[in-house]
Amino acid sequence: GAGVSQTPSNKVTEKGKYVELRCDPISGHTALYWYRQSLGQGPEFLIYFQGTGAADDSGLPNDRFFAVRPEGSVSTLKIQRTERGDSAVYLCASSLGRVTGELFFGEGSRLTVL
Amino acid sequence: AQTVTQSQPEMSVQEAETVTLSCTYDTSESDYYLFWYKQPPSRQMILVIRQEAYKQQNATENRFSVNFQKAAKSFSLKISDSQLGDAAMYFCAYRSGRILQGGSEKLVFGKGTKLTVNP
Repeated sequence: GAGVSQTPSNKVTEKGKYVELRCDPISGHTALYWYRQSLGQGPEFLIYFQGTGAADDSGLPNDRFFAVRPEGSVSTLKIQRTERGDSAVYLCASSLGRVTGELFFGEGSRLTVL
Repeated sequence: AQTVTQSQPEMSVQEAETVTLSCTYDTSESDYYLFWYKQPPSRQMILVIRQEAYKQQNATENRFSVNFQKAAKSFSLKISDSQLGDAAMYFCAYRSGRILQGGSEKLVFGKGTKLTVNP
């Protein structure tokens, strides 16, 4: 596709359930980022991939959050035992990976935990 | 750790007028990049303008320009001839320039300023 694609656009789940959010980056982009945006806040960094490996996962809030990018393209953010505080928009971005490379963002996945 | 502060939660401007959005940041690095992103209701963050800290000249992109004051750690965005389509959330962001020396790739965002454009 022409841009970063994220699915689902909206996800409603119950507390304690497991969810997966998918990001399909722009073709050829080696760098991929996940951010979380809570209501009324700016995006907060979660994790950054360069190729298949997580180069920086310092933003993951706890061990309930995990992300993979097995083939260096599509990435999945996985959240176990969801809590109401996990409700937010999860944004994905990709770039060519150069130092000054522009980040291209998707439209995000809105997660609501009831 | 770097921080970005946007002190104006909301701003409004009349169509065709000029508005300035404020941003300050805190860092101990000398090499970095600063950005302004626009986020319309579609949620997609769109890059508006970028400034390299080593450049003294302020960046401009059509109706958008910045006032970069490195010593004051200030990075304001000026929107000239405001249009209805400029209405959105605007986020200021910081990125380390020392990535090859182990600096972080991540963007650090402020909390945003909601811009309303009145017809």
